[in-house]
Amino acid sequence: GENVEQHPSTLSVQEGDSAVIKCTYSDSASNYFPWYKQELGKGPQLIIDIRSNVGEKKDQRIAVTLNKTAKHFSLHITETQPEDSAVYFCAAPRGSYSGGGADGLTFGKGTHLIIQP
Amino acid sequence: DARVTQTPRHKVTEMGQEVTMRCQPILGHNTVFWYRQTMMQGLELLAYFRNRAPLDDSGMPKDRFSAEMPDATLATLKIQPSEPRDSAVYFCASGLVPGANGYTFGSGTRLTVV
Repeated sequence: GENVEQHPSTLSVQEGDSAVIKCTYSDSASNYFPWYKQELGKGPQLIIDIRSNVGEKKDQRIAVTLNKTAKHFSLHITETQPEDSAVYFCAAPRGSYSGGGADGLTFGKGTHLIIQP
Repeated sequence: DARVTQTPRHKVTEMGQEVTMRCQPILGHNTVFWYRQTMMQGLELLAYFRNRAPLDDSGMPKDRFSAEMPDATLATLKIQPSEPRDSAVYFCASGLVPGANGYTFGSGTRLTVV
């Protein structure tokens, strides 16, 4: 099955600076890579995802990049704001029989992002 | 916004008692997942359904956990008997497969078994 590694486990940045969170995956058949944001007391919320036919995707201040050869993908948050403080999870399709995630996702261990005022 | 509704939000129970958690997926979604979140293990997939049919429950301890989907608007996760190691936050997520919009999680049920 898929193995997802996420780094760092904690990231502290000054408000206004950029934050980068990195993940690696093991199954070369995977073709769908979502990122979730989890605030305290809430469920994970999908914030952006990328499919393997593109190398980068942007949505306002967040972007995701994908390197299929190296099997890693990253989340980039620019001009960080206090409301960006949360735990962020990367994910990849669970198992090699469904590269698109139809049979569930394997999640990284999470990154606690702290925005310092 | 459409949302996944989970009840109860919090549950404290004594070891050995039966616990039932409920989930109302987003209308029109055909796939429902149950995940468990703990500090040590992170988010783990327990079971999932597509068009109400169970597809995989290999992530669940079979002797005490059961998952059902009696109709398209209700999924249940039952633990009997409960044990302290079952203490965790249980999330339900739903989505449309095939589809391009990913999965939506509920707010979870925080279970404490004492």
